[in-house]
Amino acid sequence: EAGVTQFPSHSVIEKGQTVTLRCDPISGHDNLYWYRRVMGKEIKFLLHFVKESKQDESGMPNNRFLAERTGGTYSTLKVQPAELEDSGVYFCASSHPGTSGAYEQYFGPGTRLTVT
Amino acid sequence: RKEVEQDPGPFNVPEGATVAFNCTYSNSASQSFFWYRQDCRKEPKLLMSVYSSGNEDGRFTAQLNRASQYISLLIRDSKLSDSATYLCVVPRGSTLGRLYFGRGTQLTVWP
Repeated sequence: EAGVTQFPSHSVIEKGQTVTLRCDPISGHDNLYWYRRVMGKEIKFLLHFVKESKQDESGMPNNRFLAERTGGTYSTLKVQPAELEDSGVYFCASSHPGTSGAYEQYFGPGTRLTVT
Repeated sequence: RKEVEQDPGPFNVPEGATVAFNCTYSNSASQSFFWYRQDCRKEPKLLMSVYSSGNEDGRFTAQLNRASQYISLLIRDSKLSDSATYLCVVPRGSTLGRLYFGRGTQLTVWP
């Protein structure tokens, strides 16, 4: 079974540009999460989708960040316009709904974003 | 106060050593706890779950003290392959959803 995949693996953009990150969860996983790790800090939650609905977006830093999950499959996270402090590693995770192991979130390899 | 606080580390131990990591959490309503392992430039991967007082899996033992809001991870007979960053992770309350991560403790096992 394929794991969570993310694209691109690395992205270097200039301040003010736009970047879109993509996450493909494990097939059949209704729950999809975005997290971010800024250098020197802990991994922090951004938001949580259940199918195509945003369950919790309280971790989104500001309105420059837009996440979508049309059709409840893959998700995109757009940063527009990017600022220097947006640099970090963006992780996507997915989990299976309603089972005893529902808390286990499977993480993708991350997208390393550098804003210059 | 942070949701999850971990030993700052780093820990550098010889092969065969026993090493323990500590973690405290702030939300007394938390019902489950996790230790994730993260290799350099890789994604976090679940190592152990703790739902009651503790859990043991081979050389790894996780213990929970709810009264003190404290979790520990003990690694016995350390292997070179145990070198990684260990993340203490606590879900939000009792609902499926966001995870709170500690900053991680870096372990290096040397031959």
